[in-house]
Amino acid sequence: RKEVEQDPGPFNVPEGATVAFNCTYSNSASQSFFWYRQDCRKEPKLLMSVYSSGNEDGRFTAQLNRASQYISLLIRDSKLSDSATYLCVVKGGFQKLVFGTGTRLLVSP
Amino acid sequence: GAGVSQSPSNKVTEKGKDVELRCDPISGHTALYWYRQSLGQGLEFLIYFQGNSAPDKSGLPSDRFSAERTGGSVSTLTIQRTQQEDSAVYLCASRGYGTSDSEQYFGPGTRLTVT
Repeated sequence: RKEVEQDPGPFNVPEGATVAFNCTYSNSASQSFFWYRQDCRKEPKLLMSVYSSGNEDGRFTAQLNRASQYISLLIRDSKLSDSATYLCVVKGGFQKLVFGTGTRLLVSP
Repeated sequence: GAGVSQSPSNKVTEKGKDVELRCDPISGHTALYWYRQSLGQGLEFLIYFQGNSAPDKSGLPSDRFSAERTGGSVSTLTIQRTQQEDSAVYLCASRGYGTSDSEQYFGPGTRLTVT
């Protein structure tokens, strides 16, 4: 079993739609969680951290469910520019980040 | 300021040859990571340098892979006797001292193709 698992997608949604991605992790001792965004043939960039109480950044909302060991990302009012691959990331031991394979989002006009 | 830079951006090599990939981290960043990303795969951790501490090499897939970081700045990832399965994008990231783990800034990567 992979340490971090995501549905690869793609998720095809129209502009303005709300879309949600989930991610599961296997290490119950994990303490830090993040979402990164990676555009096609570009490097990953931090989108947002995920806090236990849930957190919001504009149209993006991240949630953490420790009991079920999953993390979610909700995007409201999707824009064309949101088209990218979203990487679920869990902090492993000794400063290492463990990346999921990513969920691809395609927003169409 | 300048971000993380990597060179070359693309490298095509023949099976069995050695290759060197270079990473210039953000100036002043003490932590440096190497990852690789194969087609359809997530980022795979390879090696981590933090200051003058011994590097964490736990992610290196075989003894054909090695990396060094000279003077706490530039890093070189060397792959000896390359194999076709080594074809991937090799990404370098750096992080400043005292920042959270998430604040890793990635370079644009080196796309390695082994023919």
